Amino acid sequence: GQNIDQPTEMTATEGAIVQINCTYQTSGFNGLFWYQQHAGEAPTFLSYNVLDGLEEKGRFSSFLSRSKGYSYLLLKELQMKDSASYLCAALTGGGNKLTFGTGTQLKVEL
Amino acid sequence: EAQVTQNPRYLITVTGKKLTVTCSQNMNHEYMSWYRQDPGLGLRQIYYSMNVEVTDKGDVPEGYKVSRKEKRNFPLILESPSPNQTSLYFCASSLVQQKTYEQYFGPGTRLTVT
Repeated sequence: GQNIDQPTEMTATEGAIVQINCTYQTSGFNGLFWYQQHAGEAPTFLSYNVLDGLEEKGRFSSFLSRSKGYSYLLLKELQMKDSASYLCAALTGGGNKLTFGTGTQLKVEL
Repeated sequence: EAQVTQNPRYLITVTGKKLTVTCSQNMNHEYMSWYRQDPGLGLRQIYYSMNVEVTDKGDVPEGYKVSRKEKRNFPLILESPSPNQTSLYFCASSLVQQKTYEQYFGPGTRLTVT
C-alpha cells in the first residue's frame, strides 16, 4: 500500500524559515507534490518534484530524495498568511493516482 | 477564467436519498478525480477518470458512482447516502499530456447526511 507521513502541526515565527518534512513509501512512484490549503478552501498547487534535488520558487522551495523516500518543503521569510495546512502527495500508478498525507498544520506567530 | 466548478457547495440530506454532485472544468483536461477530506484522514481519492468513458476506482470507492460522458463533466453520484459519507468533497482535474500532473481543485462541496 501507499504510506505518507508528515508532522501534524508546526509553529514558527513571522520572518523565520520553516522546513516541513514528508516521508513516503509507495509503489510505482512518479513524483511528489506539495499543496497549500487554507481552512475551508481548496488545495492550491505549490510544487512538483520528479527528480532528486531542490526546486526553488520564490519564498518556497521543495526537495526530493527518491532513494530515501523523503521530501521537504522550505518556507522562507514567513508571513502570517502562510498559516495553513501543507499537504504532501505522492503521484503513483503511472500518474493516475495521487495519495495525500494527512497534512501539516503550520501556525505562524508574531 | 480557467476553473473547476462544483455544485452544490453545501448540501444537507437524509439517509438513502440519492444525490449527485456535479463537477465541471473548462480547461480541456483529460484527467478528473474526486476526493473526500475528513479530519485526521486527509484527502482520499474516490474515483478518477483518464478520459471520456474511462473511469477507475481510487482508495475509497464504496458507496459512490461516477460517469464521464463528456470531457468537461465528472459527476459524483451517491445512490443511497449514509451518515459516514458526511464529508468535504473536492473535484480536481489535470492535463495529463503536459506531464506535470498538476491538479486544479474545485471549491469543495460540504455534504451532511443525517
